[in-house]
Amino acid sequence: AQSVAQPEDQVNVAEGNPLTVKCTYSVSGNPYLFWYVQYPNRGLQFLLKYITGDNLVKGSYGFEAEFNKSQTSFHLKKPSALVSDSALYFCAVRDIPTDSWGKLQFGAGTQVVVTP
Amino acid sequence: EAGVTQFPSHSVIEKGQTVTLRCDPISGHDNLYWYRRVMGKEIKFLLHFVKESKQDESGMPNNRFLAERTGGTYSTLKVQPAELEDSGVYFCASSQDRIEKLFFGSGTQLSVL
Repeated sequence: AQSVAQPEDQVNVAEGNPLTVKCTYSVSGNPYLFWYVQYPNRGLQFLLKYITGDNLVKGSYGFEAEFNKSQTSFHLKKPSALVSDSALYFCAVRDIPTDSWGKLQFGAGTQVVVTP
Repeated sequence: EAGVTQFPSHSVIEKGQTVTLRCDPISGHDNLYWYRRVMGKEIKFLLHFVKESKQDESGMPNNRFLAERTGGTYSTLKVQPAELEDSGVYFCASSQDRIEKLFFGSGTQLSVL
C-alpha cells in the first residue's frame, strides 16, 4: 500500500534563510508526487508535481522539490523563505496506474513558521 | 474564474443528528473528490465522482455517509446519524479530465458534540 510520511510537525525558519520540508514515500510502482500548501482559512493549493523526467521540479512561489528514488524522498525546498510562506504544507503521492488521477495519499502536513 | 466552493464553512451538531455538506466544483470539471482530515492527521480520500457517477468510493468510512452528485454539477455529502469520530475538516476538490492538478475548496469544519 502507498504511504507518505512527513516527519516534522513544524518547521521554524528565519526570513531569508533556506527552507526545507521533508517527505518520504512508499509505493508499489512508479510514484506521482505532489506538494500542496494550505494558507489559513483557504483550501489546499497545488505547488508542484513530479511525474517523470528531471529529478528537480520547479513550482509556484519559488518552491522546488527534488525526487530521490534511492531514498524514496521528495523534499520541498525554497532558497530564501518569506514570512508569507508560513502555511501548512502537504506532500502527496499517487501510485499509478491503478488509481484515478486525483486519488492521492496525503501526509499529515508540516506547519511552516517563518519569523521576520 | 470561480473556485471550488463549500458550504457551510463550519457546522456544529450533536451526536445522532444529520448534516449535509455541499460542494460546488469549478464549472466544467467532471471530476469531483471528497477528502477528510481528522484530528490534524493525514488528509484521507473518501470518494471520486466522474460527472454524476461514483467512480471510486473505497474511502467512505461506513454507510452513515452518503454522497450524491445530481446532474453532474454540485455534490452533497450527508452524514446520518453523525458520530463523534466524524468530526474533522471535509474538503472537496475538482479537476479536469486526466489532469493531475486538484483544485480544493476551503473545507467544512464539522464538529460533532
